[in-house]
Amino acid sequence: SSELTQDPAVSVALGQTVRITCQGDSLRSYYASWYQQKPGQAPVLVIYGKNNRPSGIPDRFSGSSSGNTASLTITGAQAEDEADYYCNSRDSSGNHLGVFGGGTKLTVL
Amino acid sequence: QVQLQQWGAGLLKPSETLSLTCAVYGGSFSGYYWSWIRQPPGKGLEWIGEINHSGSTNYNPSLKSRVTISVDTSKNQFSLKLSSVTAADTAVYYCARGNVDYGSGSLGYYYMDVWGKGTTVTVSS
Repeated sequence: SSELTQDPAVSVALGQTVRITCQGDSLRSYYASWYQQKPGQAPVLVIYGKNNRPSGIPDRFSGSSSGNTASLTITGAQAEDEADYYCNSRDSSGNHLGVFGGGTKLTVL
Repeated sequence: QVQLQQWGAGLLKPSETLSLTCAVYGGSFSGYYWSWIRQPPGKGLEWIGEINHSGSTNYNPSLKSRVTISVDTSKNQFSLKLSSVTAADTAVYYCARGNVDYGSGSLGYYYMDVWGKGTTVTVSS
């Protein structure tokens, strides 16, 4: 399957921990990458590989993977973390295609 | 620091061909997959396709019959053409740098670490 499934919306209280999940068969072959997108802006990579953060991404962002599920965890969510989050990986069919999840809208209360 | 600068026509009529170009500044052109992604208004991201420096391409099957991605290594640029556009092709189009490792005995990885600012393309008669 080339599909990645995400919950459409998740909310978290300010300063609390939230996990955003992504499910799909391709995640048995590839780590998910995660992107944050704020309104009117291009996506920004926040997690890639096993659990790597690009320069400038706060260490409250972390990633994990188990079986067909990848997770993005924000530990101590801040108001500025309110955004859409997308997971992404390679299709596992062998056709070398990219695929995105449908996105999760994170609200920080 | 690598930057991507993209440009192209923002308003098209149905049946016309969308044409966008993305220039790569400040980094190597080889060793990456240069990608196009789009986002219709109010919707999620859709992967369109990619090309490497050798010209090898991969396309989203849902768009494959209408998409051509090409590369000009002399200018460090890559381009997207999408033919026979309709209103459904109205979207913000992004270019991005893709990194791929297919893994050897472990999970592979794929991520896009540098993105252009996006070009809004509207298809309307």
